[in-house]
Amino acid sequence: DIQMTQSPSSVSASVGERVTITCRASQGVSSFLAWFQQKPGKAPKSLIYAASSLQSGVPSRFIGSGSGTDFTLTISSLQPEDFATYYCQQYKSYPLTFGGGTKVEIK
Amino acid sequence: EVQLVESGGGLVQPGGSLRLSCVGSGFSFSDHYMDWVRQAPGKGLEWVGRIRDKSKSYTTEYAASVKGRFTVSRDDSKTSLYLQMNSLKTEDTAVYYCARGNCIGGSCFAGFHWGLGTLVIVSS
Repeated sequence: DIQMTQSPSSVSASVGERVTITCRASQGVSSFLAWFQQKPGKAPKSLIYAASSLQSGVPSRFIGSGSGTDFTLTISSLQPEDFATYYCQQYKSYPLTFGGGTKVEIK
Repeated sequence: EVQLVESGGGLVQPGGSLRLSCVGSGFSFSDHYMDWVRQAPGKGLEWVGRIRDKSKSYTTEYAASVKGRFTVSRDDSKTSLYLQMNSLKTEDTAVYYCARGNCIGGSCFAGFHWGLGTLVIVSS
């Protein structure tokens, strides 16, 4: 199985700050990497697929990059509605696997 | 508007069975892979299983933790997805989400759209 490791597990940031979340795969997944946002008590929401393609309706401040084993999700200017937990998912091979999550909290 | 609505969750004893359902609307259900993803209380997301569409003969994939105990099926005429869960264990306690897959470039991620989830509690 491909293990997905996210770092940091949590980050405190202020509105307007730039936030970067890293996702590392235990083996190469090409660009078959997706990112999700989840707010407390809610279902996850798709943000990015194919490592860098923005889902329709998702603000352009969300930027995905990387390929192979190392990926990043950058929020260029954090907004109040962005405080949530973020997950990566590899879909190169079965079983599909998620990272452990990164909680973005208010500083 | 795309909607996925799960039902069937509840309290079940260890070793028992439960069948979850998910009704999809607002998209061409029969054309898409469908997945189940779960989330234990306070924990992260775990992919459970997938069923492909008719063009791929409705073949299925499962996580090792549920293989042989859980079965994913679908009824395209009812735009419905199912998860039959047998031999349930306490560690199966979670919110179970139905999710639409999306295939791009030869691979398909789980979670283009998500339902609200249904809670399964396995406890004596």
